[in-house]
Amino acid sequence: AQTVTQSQPEMSVQEAETVTLSCTYDTSESDYYLFWYKQPPSRQMILVIRQEAYKQQNATENRFSVNFQKAAKSFSLKISDSQLGDAAMYFCAYRSARGTDKLIFGTGTRLQVFP
Amino acid sequence: DSGVTQTPKHLITATGQRVTLRCSPRSGDLSVYWYQQSLDQGLQFLIQYYNGEERAKGNILERFSAQQFPDLHSELNLSSLELGDSALYFCASSVTSGPPYNEQFFGPGTRLTVL
Repeated sequence: AQTVTQSQPEMSVQEAETVTLSCTYDTSESDYYLFWYKQPPSRQMILVIRQEAYKQQNATENRFSVNFQKAAKSFSLKISDSQLGDAAMYFCAYRSARGTDKLIFGTGTRLQVFP
Repeated sequence: DSGVTQTPKHLITATGQRVTLRCSPRSGDLSVYWYQQSLDQGLQFLIQYYNGEERAKGNILERFSAQQFPDLHSELNLSSLELGDSALYFCASSVTSGPPYNEQFFGPGTRLTVL
C-alpha cells in the first residue's frame, strides 16, 4: 500500500522569504501523480501544484515549485516570496495513475508566515 | 469557489443518531468522492461513485453508506454515530474516472459534531 509522510508538523517563514516543505512517499508503482494541497482557515482544499511521475521536469506554478526526486521518493514544495496569505495547512498527496483515483494524504504541515 | 456544493455546512447531533450529508458535483462531473478529515485519522478517502455506480472503496465503516443519484448528486449516510465520527467530511468531484488524469475539485465540507 502507498503511504505519504510529512515529517514537519509546523514550519514558519518571514514574509518575502523562501520556505521548503518536505514530503516523502512509498509506492511500488512507477506511474503516479503527486500533489500539494493548501487548506487555509476556511478549510477549503485548494490544489497548489501537481507533478506527474513520468515527467522529469519539476512543476512550477508562479511562486510555488517542487523538487521531485523519484528515486528517493521525495517531493518537496518550495514557496518563494512568501506572503501572509500563504499561511495554511499544506498536505502532500499521492494518486495512482493506473489504479483507483483515490488521493492518499500526508498528515500535513502547518505553515505560519510572519510579517 | 470550486463549483462543488455540500449541505449542511455544520451538523450537530447526538451519539446513536443517523445523519445524511449531501453533495452536488460540478456541472458535468460524473465522479464523486467522499473524504473524512479527523484529528485521529487525518484526511482519508472513504468512497467513490462514478455515474451512479460505486467505483472504489476506502476505509469506510459499515455504519456508513453512500449513493449517487441519477441527477449525479451524492449522499453520505452515517448511522449509529459515535463521538469518534466527529470530523469534516469533504466531497470532491471530477469529470471522469481513471486515466488520463482528471482533477478532483473539493467542496467546502460538512463539519459534523457528535455529542
